[in-house]
Formats: sequence, structure tokens, C-alpha cells
Amino acid sequence: NAGVTQTPKFRVLKTGQSMTLLCAQDMNHEYMYWYRQDPGMGLRLIHYSVGEGTTAKGEVPDGYNVSRLKKQNFLLGLESAAPSQTSVYFCASNRVDYEQYFGPGTRLTVT
Amino acid sequence: AQSVTQPDIHITVSEGASLELRCNYSYGATPYLFWYVQSPGQGLQLLLKYFSGDTLVQGIKGFEAEFKRSQSSFNLRKPSVHWSDAAEYFCAVSGGGNKLTFGTGTQLKVEL
Repeated sequence: NAGVTQTPKFRVLKTGQSMTLLCAQDMNHEYMYWYRQDPGMGLRLIHYSVGEGTTAKGEVPDGYNVSRLKKQNFLLGLESAAPSQTSVYFCASNRVDYEQYFGPGTRLTVT
Repeated sequence: AQSVTQPDIHITVSEGASLELRCNYSYGATPYLFWYVQSPGQGLQLLLKYFSGDTLVQGIKGFEAEFKRSQSSFNLRKPSVHWSDAAEYFCAVSGGGNKLTFGTGTQLKVEL
């Protein structure tokens, strides 16, 4: 059981470039989430999904898009990266009404 | 809207001393409460959770937390801190296990 995995672990982008972060879970969880972590701000929810083919906005969704085409994968896209999107991104998943399991994170720098 | 306050940004304790990390929450109904720990460069690991029942919950690594509804608090405690406990600790609240709202974290330093 790998749990929650994230690809890539590190990435540096130039302003205006695009990229996709991949999250995969092998626990058959229904719910999946993308958070960003910034110093002094804790983790903030970007988008989440309550099942395959569904997505919803979280607290800070602007500048990001997501897709959940398969139950085990949740993709986070940045269409035109901005320096304000420099952050550490965490994916998480859970069964409904149970605790969330987190991936190891992706450190993204936008120059 | 739900919210979490962790009033202490940094805490330093000596190894072997007791620890209490504070967490206050705001939530309109019965909350689900969590404590997570994050070591440098790592993801978040669940220490313990409160869903219902006994208000004193035991977690991993010798941690415990007490849910006090009257004070809207869920403080984390450990009787004797080890150097390996140095990390950042996050309290979180949700209406299920879903859509967590996190506090801003407390950085714990352990002096040898």
C-alpha cells in the first residue's frame, strides 16, 4: 500500500508557464483534496472531489483547475503560473467522514 | 464558517518536560477535531482525532487531547517530550472528516 503519492516532488516554473500536479491514492477513497501550505497560514483548501467525475471549489481556488477522471487520481492544473502560486502543495484523501491521509507534498517555485 | 486558532506560533520545551499545545475552534454543530504533525520536509501525519464519545482521546507517540465543548478547545498534551517530537503541529476541524479547516500551526522546539 503506497497510500497517497504525489508527482513531481519539486518543480520550478517561469511566470506564465503551465503544469499539472498528479495525486494518486490506492486506498479506494471517495474523497480527494488539494491544499496549499504557506508559512504562517497553515493549509488552505484549493479544490476537492467527492467522487469520480466531480470537483468543487475550496477556500482558494483562483488560478487552479482540477480533474478527477479516475477514482484513484486527482489532478491539479496551473494554466498560467504566477509567483503568488509559489507554495507547497499537498494532496489528501479519505473515506467519507473519516480522517484524511496526506501525500508527501510538491514544492513549487514560480520565478 | 468554521475556523481554528492556535495562539502559540512557537513553543520551546526541555526534553522530559510536559507539553500542552492550545487549539480553539469555531463550528456551529458538533465538530470533528484532529491534530496532525509535520516533520520538516514531510507530509502530515495524524496524531489523534475526536469524532464523538469520550472527550479525552489518546493518539500515537504518547499524545492525548481533551475536547472541551464549553471552552471550544481541543488542546494537545504529552507528559514527557522527546527530542524527536520537534516538529510543527496543526489542529484542524471539520463537519465530518471532510473539508478540513486548519489552524496556522505551532512550531515545537525541544531543548536537550
